[in-house]
Amino acid sequence: ETGVTQTPRHLVMGMTNKKSLKCEQHLGHNAMYWYKQSAKKPLELMFVYNFKEQTENNSVPSRFSPECPNSSHLFLHLHTLQPEDSALYLCASSQDEEGRYEQYFGPGTRLTVT
Amino acid sequence: SQQGEEDPQALSIQEGENATMNCSYKTSINNLQWYRQNSGRGLVHLILIRSNEREKHSGRLRVTLDTSKKSSSLLITASRAADTASYFCATDETGANSKLTFGKGITLSVRP
Repeated sequence: ETGVTQTPRHLVMGMTNKKSLKCEQHLGHNAMYWYKQSAKKPLELMFVYNFKEQTENNSVPSRFSPECPNSSHLFLHLHTLQPEDSALYLCASSQDEEGRYEQYFGPGTRLTVT
Repeated sequence: SQQGEEDPQALSIQEGENATMNCSYKTSINNLQWYRQNSGRGLVHLILIRSNEREKHSGRLRVTLDTSKKSSSLLITASRAADTASYFCATDETGANSKLTFGKGITLSVRP
């Protein structure tokens, strides 16, 4: 689990707040991902970065803004969220963005929007 | 539309029994992966099986893949209470923009 770290582990925020989620991987991988996991739903891919470049934005609302300053760090900036955005946000990394590589996940950030 | 669908949605067994979980998918794939997730934690990769493979083993895990039926199964033998978790299959569809697509998962409870 120490290969991919996420902070904070829990976050409660109001709809008018601005906060950021942080992910760091120590595996030397080139691809990083943000997923949203809600109860009773499949894991939803939000964003993909490969070699710091965004390669996928899965129709995510603009209130979620990703940032990837280098291959080891990934941020998700949050602003004016809605209660339905409450979920577990998972970061993952893999050697490359192609699906033939296994993904390594962080422990997640449990986000509650009040 | 969802690519991988696991079956059953929930499974409860006694410690020592075998657990069989199934995954069906819709389109051609390059590989299929199984992951485990303990409550409130991240997913952990268990095993990857390529489209030209039929069976793969890892410890107490056995995965089969039937590309003609577009289905895979994960068998956990001699289950333990620590195997209690959610299990997900993820498929890598063939095509230029291959990405992993995850199913909803199966909740496995192993009673001590």
